[in-house]
Amino acid sequence: DTEVTQTPKHLVMGMTNKKSLKCEQHMGHRAMYWYKQKAKKPPELMFVYSYEKLSINESVPSRFSPECPNSSLLNLHLHALQPEDSALYLCASSQDEGGSYNEQFFGPGTRLTVL
Amino acid sequence: GQNIDQPTEMTATEGAIVQINCTYQTSGFNGLFWYQQHAGEAPTFLSYNVLDGLEEKGRFSSFLSRSKGYSYLLLKELQMKDSASYLCAVSDSNYQLIWGAGTKLIIKP
Repeated sequence: DTEVTQTPKHLVMGMTNKKSLKCEQHMGHRAMYWYKQKAKKPPELMFVYSYEKLSINESVPSRFSPECPNSSLLNLHLHALQPEDSALYLCASSQDEGGSYNEQFFGPGTRLTVL
Repeated sequence: GQNIDQPTEMTATEGAIVQINCTYQTSGFNGLFWYQQHAGEAPTFLSYNVLDGLEEKGRFSSFLSRSKGYSYLLLKELQMKDSASYLCAVSDSNYQLIWGAGTKLIIKP
Protein backbone atom coordinates (compact mmCIF):
# COMPACT_ATOMS: atom_id res chain seq x y z
CA ASP A 1 0.00 0.00 0.00
CA THR A 2 1.72 3.16 -1.21
CA GLU A 3 -1.18 5.49 -0.66
CA VAL A 4 -1.98 8.40 1.60
CA THR A 5 -5.71 8.88 2.01
CA GLN A 6 -7.50 12.02 3.14
CA THR A 7 -11.09 12.69 4.11
CA PRO A 8 -13.21 14.54 3.29
CA LYS A 9 -12.35 15.51 -0.29
CA HIS A 10 -14.35 18.70 -0.03
CA LEU A 11 -15.48 20.66 3.02
CA VAL A 12 -17.54 23.82 3.31
CA MET A 13 -17.80 25.35 6.75
CA GLY A 14 -18.91 28.51 8.44
CA MET A 15 -16.63 30.62 10.60
CA THR A 16 -18.23 29.33 13.80
CA ASN A 17 -18.05 25.64 12.89
CA LYS A 18 -15.71 22.98 14.24
CA LYS A 19 -14.55 20.34 11.80
CA SER A 20 -11.68 17.90 11.39
CA LEU A 21 -9.58 16.75 8.46
CA LYS A 22 -8.26 13.20 8.52
CA CYS A 23 -5.22 11.59 6.95
CA GLU A 24 -4.10 7.97 6.97
CA GLN A 25 -1.12 6.02 5.64
CA HIS A 26 -0.12 2.38 5.98
CA MET A 27 3.40 2.54 4.58
CA GLY A 28 5.04 2.44 8.00
CA HIS A 29 6.20 6.01 7.59
CA ARG A 30 7.23 7.76 10.78
CA ALA A 31 6.92 11.36 9.62
CA MET A 32 3.65 13.02 8.64
CA TYR A 33 3.02 16.54 7.41
CA TRP A 34 0.22 19.06 6.95
CA TYR A 35 0.53 21.57 4.13
CA LYS A 36 -1.74 24.39 3.01
CA GLN A 37 -1.81 25.28 -0.67
CA LYS A 38 -3.45 28.29 -2.26
CA ALA A 39 -4.18 28.38 -5.98
CA LYS A 40 -1.08 28.78 -8.16
CA LYS A 41 1.20 28.71 -5.11
CA PRO A 42 3.49 25.97 -3.83
CA PRO A 43 2.55 23.94 -0.74
CA GLU A 44 3.17 25.81 2.51
CA LEU A 45 4.31 23.66 5.44
CA MET A 46 2.13 23.89 8.55
CA PHE A 47 3.07 21.02 10.87
CA VAL A 48 5.41 18.03 10.99
CA TYR A 49 4.96 15.01 13.22
CA SER A 50 7.90 12.69 13.74
CA TYR A 51 7.34 9.43 15.60
CA GLU A 52 3.93 10.72 16.70
CA LYS A 53 5.40 13.84 18.29
CA LEU A 54 4.97 17.36 16.95
CA SER A 55 8.38 18.43 15.74
CA ILE A 56 7.60 21.49 13.66
CA ASN A 57 4.86 24.11 13.96
CA GLU A 58 5.43 26.82 11.37
CA SER A 59 3.80 29.55 13.46
CA VAL A 60 0.35 28.37 12.50
CA PRO A 61 -2.62 30.16 14.17
CA SER A 62 -4.20 28.26 17.04
CA ARG A 63 -7.46 27.88 15.13
CA PHE A 64 -5.63 24.96 13.45
CA SER A 65 -4.88 22.15 15.89
CA PRO A 66 -3.04 19.02 14.75
CA GLU A 67 -3.30 15.62 16.38
CA CYS A 68 -1.47 12.36 15.77
CA PRO A 69 -3.41 9.54 17.51
CA ASN A 70 -1.03 6.86 16.22
CA SER A 71 1.70 6.33 13.66
CA SER A 72 -0.80 5.86 10.80
CA LEU A 73 -3.22 8.69 11.49
CA LEU A 74 -2.99 12.45 11.41
CA ASN A 75 -5.84 14.84 12.10
CA LEU A 76 -6.21 18.57 11.69
CA HIS A 77 -8.91 20.12 13.89
CA LEU A 78 -10.40 23.35 12.62
CA HIS A 79 -12.21 25.95 14.71
CA ALA A 80 -13.26 29.54 14.09
CA LEU A 81 -11.61 29.70 10.68
CA GLN A 82 -11.52 32.76 8.47
CA PRO A 83 -12.44 32.99 4.76
CA GLU A 84 -8.75 33.44 3.93
CA ASP A 85 -8.13 29.93 5.29
CA SER A 86 -9.91 28.53 2.26
CA ALA A 87 -7.33 26.41 0.44
CA LEU A 88 -6.30 22.88 -0.48
CA TYR A 89 -5.00 21.09 2.62
CA LEU A 90 -2.50 18.40 1.81
CA CYS A 91 -1.26 15.61 4.03
CA ALA A 92 2.04 13.90 3.26
CA SER A 93 4.16 11.19 4.80
CA SER A 94 7.78 10.10 4.53
CA GLN A 95 9.88 7.31 5.92
CA ASP A 96 11.57 9.59 8.42
CA GLU A 97 11.71 13.31 9.02
CA GLY A 98 15.41 13.50 8.33
CA GLY A 99 17.73 11.43 6.22
CA SER A 100 19.43 12.15 2.97
CA TYR A 101 16.60 10.80 0.84
CA ASN A 102 13.13 11.39 2.06
CA GLU A 103 10.48 11.37 -0.63
CA GLN A 104 7.19 12.73 0.61
CA PHE A 105 4.05 10.95 -0.53
CA PHE A 106 1.05 13.22 -0.76
CA GLY A 107 -2.61 12.50 -0.21
CA PRO A 108 -5.24 13.85 -2.65
CA GLY A 109 -6.00 16.79 -0.40
CA THR A 110 -9.11 18.33 1.14
CA ARG A 111 -10.53 21.34 -0.65
CA LEU A 112 -11.71 23.62 2.18
CA THR A 113 -14.04 26.57 1.71
CA VAL A 114 -14.76 28.85 4.66
CA LEU A 115 -17.85 31.01 4.30
CA GLY B 1 17.38 33.82 2.92
CA GLN B 2 16.28 30.74 1.05
CA ASN B 3 15.19 31.11 -2.52
CA ILE B 4 14.14 28.85 -5.36
CA ASP B 5 13.47 30.26 -8.83
CA GLN B 6 11.72 28.62 -11.73
CA PRO B 7 9.83 30.09 -14.69
CA THR B 8 6.17 30.82 -14.05
CA GLU B 9 4.85 29.34 -17.27
CA MET B 10 6.09 27.52 -20.36
CA THR B 11 4.39 26.37 -23.54
CA ALA B 12 5.46 23.44 -25.72
CA THR B 13 4.10 21.32 -28.54
CA GLU B 14 2.92 17.73 -28.30
CA GLY B 15 5.74 15.36 -29.24
CA ALA B 16 8.46 17.92 -28.58
CA ILE B 17 11.01 18.28 -25.78
CA VAL B 18 10.92 20.88 -23.01
CA GLN B 19 13.43 21.81 -20.29
CA ILE B 20 12.26 23.40 -17.05
CA ASN B 21 15.02 25.13 -15.10
CA CYS B 22 15.33 25.62 -11.36
CA THR B 23 17.96 27.66 -9.50
CA TYR B 24 18.29 27.63 -5.75
CA GLN B 25 20.00 29.30 -2.82
CA THR B 26 19.34 27.44 0.42
CA SER B 27 20.89 26.95 3.84
CA GLY B 28 22.38 23.54 3.24
CA PHE B 29 21.50 20.98 0.61
CA ASN B 30 20.27 17.45 1.07
CA GLY B 31 18.87 16.82 -2.36
CA LEU B 32 16.49 18.28 -4.91
CA PHE B 33 13.08 16.92 -5.80
CA TRP B 34 10.83 17.46 -8.79
CA TYR B 35 7.09 16.97 -8.35
CA GLN B 36 4.27 17.10 -10.90
CA GLN B 37 0.94 18.58 -9.90
CA HIS B 38 -2.20 18.58 -12.01
CA ALA B 39 -4.71 21.32 -11.24
CA GLY B 40 -6.67 20.57 -8.07
CA GLU B 41 -4.68 17.42 -7.34
CA ALA B 42 -1.84 16.49 -5.01
CA PRO B 43 1.82 16.67 -6.07
CA THR B 44 3.30 13.41 -7.28
CA PHE B 45 6.99 12.57 -7.07
CA LEU B 46 8.99 12.60 -10.30
CA SER B 47 12.68 12.58 -9.39
CA TYR B 48 15.35 13.09 -6.77
CA ASN B 49 18.94 14.30 -7.31
CA VAL B 50 21.59 14.60 -4.64
CA LEU B 51 24.75 14.09 -6.71
CA ASP B 52 25.75 16.05 -9.80
CA GLY B 53 24.67 14.64 -13.09
CA LEU B 54 21.70 13.34 -15.00
CA GLU B 55 19.07 10.93 -13.71
CA GLU B 56 16.91 9.39 -16.42
CA LYS B 57 13.53 7.82 -15.83
CA GLY B 58 11.60 7.04 -18.98
CA ARG B 59 10.50 10.22 -20.77
CA PHE B 60 11.63 12.36 -17.82
CA SER B 61 15.21 13.23 -16.87
CA SER B 62 16.54 15.49 -14.15
CA PHE B 63 19.94 17.15 -13.95
CA LEU B 64 21.77 18.69 -11.00
CA SER B 65 24.81 20.94 -10.64
CA ARG B 66 25.43 21.64 -6.96
CA SER B 67 28.26 24.11 -7.62
CA LYS B 68 25.92 26.22 -9.74
CA GLY B 69 22.83 25.74 -7.58
CA TYR B 70 20.99 24.60 -10.69
CA SER B 71 18.74 21.81 -11.81
CA TYR B 72 16.54 21.11 -14.79
CA LEU B 73 13.74 18.71 -15.59
CA LEU B 74 13.70 17.46 -19.19
CA LEU B 75 10.49 16.08 -20.62
CA LYS B 76 10.66 14.24 -23.96
CA GLU B 77 7.96 13.12 -26.38
CA LEU B 78 5.48 15.45 -24.74
CA GLN B 79 1.93 14.25 -24.33
CA MET B 80 -1.19 16.30 -23.61
CA LYS B 81 -1.39 14.70 -20.17
CA ASP B 82 1.95 16.33 -19.30
CA SER B 83 0.12 19.65 -18.99
CA ALA B 84 0.58 20.37 -15.29
CA SER B 85 2.61 22.41 -12.84
CA TYR B 86 6.13 21.21 -12.12
CA LEU B 87 7.48 21.99 -8.67
CA CYS B 88 11.15 22.10 -7.75
CA ALA B 89 11.88 21.54 -4.03
CA VAL B 90 15.18 21.49 -2.15
CA SER B 91 15.78 19.60 1.09
CA ASP B 92 17.71 22.04 3.28
CA SER B 93 20.13 21.49 6.15
CA ASN B 94 17.19 20.56 8.42
CA TYR B 95 15.78 18.18 5.78
CA GLN B 96 12.82 20.48 5.29
CA LEU B 97 11.53 20.96 1.75
CA ILE B 98 11.86 24.47 0.38
CA TRP B 99 9.47 24.78 -2.54
CA GLY B 100 9.69 26.78 -5.73
CA ALA B 101 6.53 28.50 -6.93
CA GLY B 102 6.11 25.96 -9.72
CA THR B 103 6.17 26.12 -13.50
CA LYS B 104 2.89 25.76 -15.32
CA LEU B 105 3.51 23.75 -18.49
CA ILE B 106 0.98 24.11 -21.30
CA ILE B 107 1.09 21.52 -24.08
CA LYS B 108 -0.44 22.46 -27.43
CA PRO B 109 -1.43 19.97 -30.14
